[in-house]
Amino acid sequence: QSVLTQPPSVSGAPGQRVTISCTGSSANIGAGYDVHWYQQLPGTAPKLLIYSNNKRPSGVPERFSGSKSGTSASLAITGLQAEDEGDYYCQSYDSTLSASVFGGGTQLTVL
Amino acid sequence: QVHLVQSGGGVVQPGKSLRLSCAASGFTFDSYSMHWVRQAPGKGLEWVALIWHDGSIMYYADSVRGRFTISRDFSKNTLYLQMNSLRAEDTAIYYCARELRDSSGFYYFDHWGQGILVTVSS
Repeated sequence: QSVLTQPPSVSGAPGQRVTISCTGSSANIGAGYDVHWYQQLPGTAPKLLIYSNNKRPSGVPERFSGSKSGTSASLAITGLQAEDEGDYYCQSYDSTLSASVFGGGTQLTVL
Repeated sequence: QVHLVQSGGGVVQPGKSLRLSCAASGFTFDSYSMHWVRQAPGKGLEWVALIWHDGSIMYYADSVRGRFTISRDFSKNTLYLQMNSLRAEDTAIYYCARELRDSSGFYYFDHWGQGILVTVSS
């Protein structure tokens, strides 16, 4: 069980907005460490989606955005598309573990 | 364009060894620290090992320390993971990944290999 907690699944209809939460503690997100997000489409390798809480790598659509507040972070996807269906992972540093850790992942289903 | 091309996976018996390779191109290999991350079937991501950009320092997850060795060959721009004393629980897709550092100095991954399956089974 990861120290970063994500909902196992979320879903939304095409065109809608969905959010995926990543809940931590004062040892990780709450301590101010950056949160990064990865997208893993079915059968493919993870891809960096958001880094340092809210920055998008080149080529990532503006539909994807990240935020952080207190001990939690969120990934928001607007204008949901069928090709967004897949798994999403958050990552941050944990001072108790002295390691960078991943959240358990969230499966996004586009209805 | 950054490319990380992996090879070397397969089926291996418990207790045996296997070496994974990750050939890098499109960037200055000796300027980046590199990692291995794995994903057991139907499970999430698990960090495995890290090697500094100059090959001087390596770190391992507790689950593989003493059995796995990460290394790199600068003449071939290739990253390796030597896996010994393999166990059933090592069965996973293994990814190599290039590291970047955030504002606090901790790593994240901006490029990943395609992944390669390692199955440990008798």
